[in-house]
Amino acid sequence: DGGITQSPKYLFRKEGQNVTLSCEQNLNHDAMYWYRQDPGQGLRLIYYSQIVNDFQKGDIAEGYSVSREKKESFPLTVTSAQKNPTAFYLCASIDGPLGTEAFFGQGTRLTVV
Amino acid sequence: GENVEQHPSTLSVQEGDSAVIKCTYSDSASNYFPWYKQELGKRPQLIIDIRSNVGEKKDQRIAVTLNKTAKHFSLHITETQPEDSAVYFCVRGGYGGSQGNLIFGKGTKLSVKP
Repeated sequence: DGGITQSPKYLFRKEGQNVTLSCEQNLNHDAMYWYRQDPGQGLRLIYYSQIVNDFQKGDIAEGYSVSREKKESFPLTVTSAQKNPTAFYLCASIDGPLGTEAFFGQGTRLTVV
Repeated sequence: GENVEQHPSTLSVQEGDSAVIKCTYSDSASNYFPWYKQELGKRPQLIIDIRSNVGEKKDQRIAVTLNKTAKHFSLHITETQPEDSAVYFCVRGGYGGSQGNLIFGKGTKLSVKP
């Protein structure tokens, strides 16, 4: 439901490995966002993209990378440079610069083992 | 980035009482202020929003007020019910032009005791 899908729901990564989290939306929304949620920290913005082939760093972009080759897809790669990657990751989309409500995916819980 | 300060971090009220959550921001270019509710294990969902040209907005038991001069906005929940228990996030954002980012507060965990 909600038209925005994140996969997988749970992800385990070994230290030193890169891992990519998927986010797909069929809402025809222009803007997409990646947030990281830690207990007591709320949602912190990692990257956002307002249009295809363009994206901007958020507050905590270090150790992460994104791409926006298609309007419906905004994958997030957690690289080995991210020192504390264990967290809950949420993807969201909004309908363009005049859009309002952000629709969230169900989230991906990443654990480093 | 420009932060949003949200208080309190936890709030416990008795069923039927009112709950108030307050947020402040510093970016004067912000013009859109939504509130999201996140129930345990679920994704955040929009419950109410307000734009900078409006001082107050109500939707049944929920109301939001905005003081753009003082750069603070608040969420008011009246006649609280146990199903109101959740984490609430205030958000500051902008729309139009290059303002595309939504900045969330750290959240307020509201517990409504029956």
